[in-house]
Amino acid sequence: AQKITQTQPGMFVQEKEAVTLDCTYDTSDPSYGLFWYKQPSSGEMIFLIYQGSYDQQNATEGRYSLNFQKARKSANLVISASQLGDSAMYFCAMKDSGAGSYQLTFGKGTKLSVIP
Amino acid sequence: IAGITQAPTSQILAAGRRMTLRCTQDMRHNAMYWYRQDLGLGLRLIHYSNTAGTTGKGEVPDGYSVSRANTDDFPLTLASAVPSQTSVYFCASSPEGHYGYTFGSGTRLTVV
Repeated sequence: AQKITQTQPGMFVQEKEAVTLDCTYDTSDPSYGLFWYKQPSSGEMIFLIYQGSYDQQNATEGRYSLNFQKARKSANLVISASQLGDSAMYFCAMKDSGAGSYQLTFGKGTKLSVIP
Repeated sequence: IAGITQAPTSQILAAGRRMTLRCTQDMRHNAMYWYRQDLGLGLRLIHYSNTAGTTGKGEVPDGYSVSRANTDDFPLTLASAVPSQTSVYFCASSPEGHYGYTFGSGTRLTVV
């Protein structure tokens, strides 16, 4: 069974500083995908970044990067140069690649607050 | 604009009433999903459908049913609503075997 753990219910970061949001996962499937989503106060789910289990390099998308440590089963999200608009809920999610299994399993989320 | 349409946006429902949440996508994605979001619990999968004509149970299926008569529509039905079904419901879709998930804007349901 899949499991995603986000141990930080809430985080604060000073504007323009970098912040790391933690995510650990558990799966027995050798092939899987890891995702991060942002949910602002307006409620929509915004895709940020994706990392495949066989990807050799850490994924990056603009100010977002994923620190993927496969042996530790961790997939932390790093946001560089935080902006006030980064204040939101952040969810880590995983999809394994088993036959007929396409759904995402989500962590409980981390609420990030950016301080001016 | 391609994407997922959910209706209604919000609803207050009396306990015991039947309610169907609608979800329509225009991307021809094979797979569709229903999640509920509760404070402190993240998003939990209710039901899913990997392709038209098939459905499966997720983590929290009790009290909910779904159907998938065609590719585009994936309604979620609460046969007899209870207050514990108060939540925000998200519909999502993805191409089969692909990581490109799309989420709807959500339905906020309050059961009183």
